[in-house]
Amino acid sequence: NAGVTQTPKFQVLKTGQSMTLQCAQDMNHEYMSWYRQDPGMGLRLIHYSVGAGITDQGEVPNGYNVSRSTTEDFPLRLLSAAPSQTSVYFCASSYKRGQWAPLHFGNGTRLTVT
Amino acid sequence: AQSVSQHNHHVILSEAASLELGCNYSYGGTVNLFWYVQYPGQHLQLLLKYFSGDPLVKGIKGFEAEFIKSKFSFNLRKPSVQWSDTAEYFCAVNGGNDMRFGAGTRLTVKP
Repeated sequence: NAGVTQTPKFQVLKTGQSMTLQCAQDMNHEYMSWYRQDPGMGLRLIHYSVGAGITDQGEVPNGYNVSRSTTEDFPLRLLSAAPSQTSVYFCASSYKRGQWAPLHFGNGTRLTVT
Repeated sequence: AQSVSQHNHHVILSEAASLELGCNYSYGGTVNLFWYVQYPGQHLQLLLKYFSGDPLVKGIKGFEAEFIKSKFSFNLRKPSVQWSDTAEYFCAVNGGNDMRFGAGTRLTVKP
């Protein structure tokens, strides 16, 4: 019972480099999302998806792209990394987008941009 | 704008002490409320949730929370903490479609 799987666990990038954070879930959840966690700021929503082929922006989308080609996968792309993107990134999913749906989280990716 | 405030950034307690972590939210409509816990090096896990009905909800590991609508609050409590409760605790509110989180409270329990 894998749940939400994120890779890699740790990553160091230089400013301007690009990379993709992977997220996969095996619970057939419609809703998937990406959050970043920063000290003193809690978790902030970057992008989300309510199903394959459908994505939308969250609270802090700038500098990030997403796509949802399958129900299972929701990768997050950093096109040109900046030090301000140093953070811990969590992928989360739920069976549906809505008030009543608790989120299931992955183990996180700790990203450092130098 | 929708917001969630957690009053304490870091709480330090001795084992067996009682715990109360504050959470207030700002939202005009119907909300569903959650507490998540993040143990060191792990992902966030759901501790408890409130949707409707009895405003006192019980969660896992002896935690409970009380929803007070008039105060826009959803405080987390535990009568007697253990060393294993050392973690970060996040209050979250969903007033529409997306979950909004507080800044978190780090709890350190001394043995």
